[in-house]
This record gives sequence, C-alpha cells and structure tokens, in this order.
Amino acid sequence: DTEVTQTPKHLVMGMTNKKSLKCEQHMGHRAMYWYKQKAKKPPELMFVYSYEKLSINESVPSRFSPECPNSSLLNLHLHALQPEDSALYLCASSPTTSGGGLEQFFGPGTRLTVL
Amino acid sequence: AQTVTQSQPEMSVQEAETVTLSCTYDTSESNYYLFWYKQPPSRQMILVIRQEAYKQQNATENRFSVNFQKAAKSFSLKISDSQLGDTAMYFCAFYAGGTSYGKLTFGQGTILTVHP
Repeated sequence: DTEVTQTPKHLVMGMTNKKSLKCEQHMGHRAMYWYKQKAKKPPELMFVYSYEKLSINESVPSRFSPECPNSSLLNLHLHALQPEDSALYLCASSPTTSGGGLEQFFGPGTRLTVL
Repeated sequence: AQTVTQSQPEMSVQEAETVTLSCTYDTSESNYYLFWYKQPPSRQMILVIRQEAYKQQNATENRFSVNFQKAAKSFSLKISDSQLGDTAMYFCAFYAGGTSYGKLTFGQGTILTVHP
C-alpha cells in the first residue's frame, strides 16, 4: 500500500466551528507532514512529526492544532478559523526525515472553506 | 537559508514534443537532494524524479530526465514525447539534510499545458 489517504475531501466550516482533518498511511513511514496550499502556489509547510513527536512547527497560529496518535495517523484540529485559512490542506509522509528516506508521498488533500 | 527559483510561471508544448522546465537554487550546503514534483489539476502531488547532489550522473525516469549542473546550481527537468497527461503544475524542491528535519523548500511552480 503506497497511499496516503485524507478525510474529508471537502470541508465547509463557520468561524466558530471545531473540526478535524485526518490523514492515514500504512507504508511504515515514521515522518508525517501537514502543508497548506493556496491555488497555483507551492505547498507551505505547517508541521512535521518524526517518530510521533512534533519536530517542526512553522509558527502556525494556535487555531491549528496537530496530533499524531500513532505512527500511521495524523490529525489536524481546527478551531476558530478565519476566511483566509481557506485552502487545500495536504498531508504527506516519508520513511524518515533525512537523506535517502526523505521522499515524501502526498495525500489528495482536504479542500477547506471557512465562511 | 535555501532558495529555489522557477523562472517560468507557465509553459506550453505540443503533444509528442520535448519541453524543458528550469529550476535554480541557492545553498551553501554540500550535501543535498533535489526533486521535481508534479501536481495535475485537482489530483494529488507525486514525485517525478530525484537527484542526490553527490551523484554526478543525471537522474532519468522513463520520459523524464534532469540536467543537474552543480556548479551553476541548476536543476532542469526535460520531458520527452510529451503526453496530455503531463499537463500539471510542476514544483522543483530542495532538501538540505542535516537538521532540516524533512523540510522541503519549494519553487513557485511552473504550469505546463500539453496541447493535442
């Protein structure tokens, strides 16, 4: 299984809602990533987990809260988002975070709209 | 800090022809990795090709090949026999290793359209 899955595919939420994005991989990868991508722009890294520990937080606002319950699963909890947070949220995984183990496999993304 | 520059925001090519996408980067690192990723419209991003900086030989994957010029810090992607399915946004990406902890630096992307 060489796939990263993300649910839901689409999400519309109000500014006062609480929702979660889910990402799963069964490739035995030990690194997982959250990215935010605006249309026709490159992905912007938000968080990196390595061996289930948060290793990078790119100064993301606290209304985004990541969680890595186990090595296969990554969540992104959303609360009190702003309309400018509307974007495609991508999850990725890689065998490790270094050297030849870096190749990142991306999921299809969750298209988030904040009203 | 590393930077990656893709100077061609958009390109187009006729089916079956060859096209080259440009990428330059700036780094003081000696050991690093370079990647080309493809993101088709409304579809997920996939890795096209990768190059380890310590390898002198240019990487090749079927119709995709790179021209890696380490001294010039250039990493271009050549697509031969272009197909309609190659229509996508292409991102050049750089990884420095060391304490980067998996952080890729992406270029701004090139939108490639293949015309029938």
